Amino acid sequence: GQQLNQSPQSMFIQEGEDVSMNCTSSSIFNTWLWYKQDPGEGPVLLIALYKAGELTSNGRLTAQFGITRKDSFLNISASIPSDVGIYFCAGHLQMDSNYQLIWGAGTKLIIKP
Amino acid sequence: KAGVTQTPRYLIKTRGQQVTLSCSPISGHRSVSWYQQTPGQGLQFLFEYFSETQRNKGNFPGRFSGRQFSNSRSEMNVSTLELGDSALYLCASSLTTGKTQYFGPGTRLLVL
Repeated sequence: GQQLNQSPQSMFIQEGEDVSMNCTSSSIFNTWLWYKQDPGEGPVLLIALYKAGELTSNGRLTAQFGITRKDSFLNISASIPSDVGIYFCAGHLQMDSNYQLIWGAGTKLIIKP
Repeated sequence: KAGVTQTPRYLIKTRGQQVTLSCSPISGHRSVSWYQQTPGQGLQFLFEYFSETQRNKGNFPGRFSGRQFSNSRSEMNVSTLELGDSALYLCASSLTTGKTQYFGPGTRLLVL
């Protein structure tokens, strides 16, 4: 099936550091979405991207829809303890007359004490 | 607007039993998707319903089924539970298929 390659799988960072993660695919996507999941909870939408080249910010978070429509990145500036969690990328892929939402495997963010 | 609600939040069952989970989407949303998430794993897509019809289906055995009602509320059922069915089951709603999904808090199922 279709896959999104999300990297890194996990990140160990110091509080205050900037964080960068990305998703790539060999397929062209119509939208890119970034979610964050806290333990035992459902994922929460952080940023939605709808146009190639689009750069969108949400507070300390910035995400971009790659110009080739095959990739996206998420940056977090000046990380704080509540940024800990799992970040998922997802993209809408058009297949025949249907849109299928494809998910990355997640990036686990851990902040070192 | 109220978010996606899922009931129950926690459930303990034994092998061989069956279980029904419920999801109420955001008001006005007509598409509901279900996912299974096991510890340390990503989201495994189960199925998507829109206008009471299953539109997409993931790669799960027939023991997993779902339905959607005319008010867009959805239920998923797992029959003949196995230990490996222990997971967090997430429901997400969207305005229609192909639109941004918003998740509920999940139902954590433990099969003993």
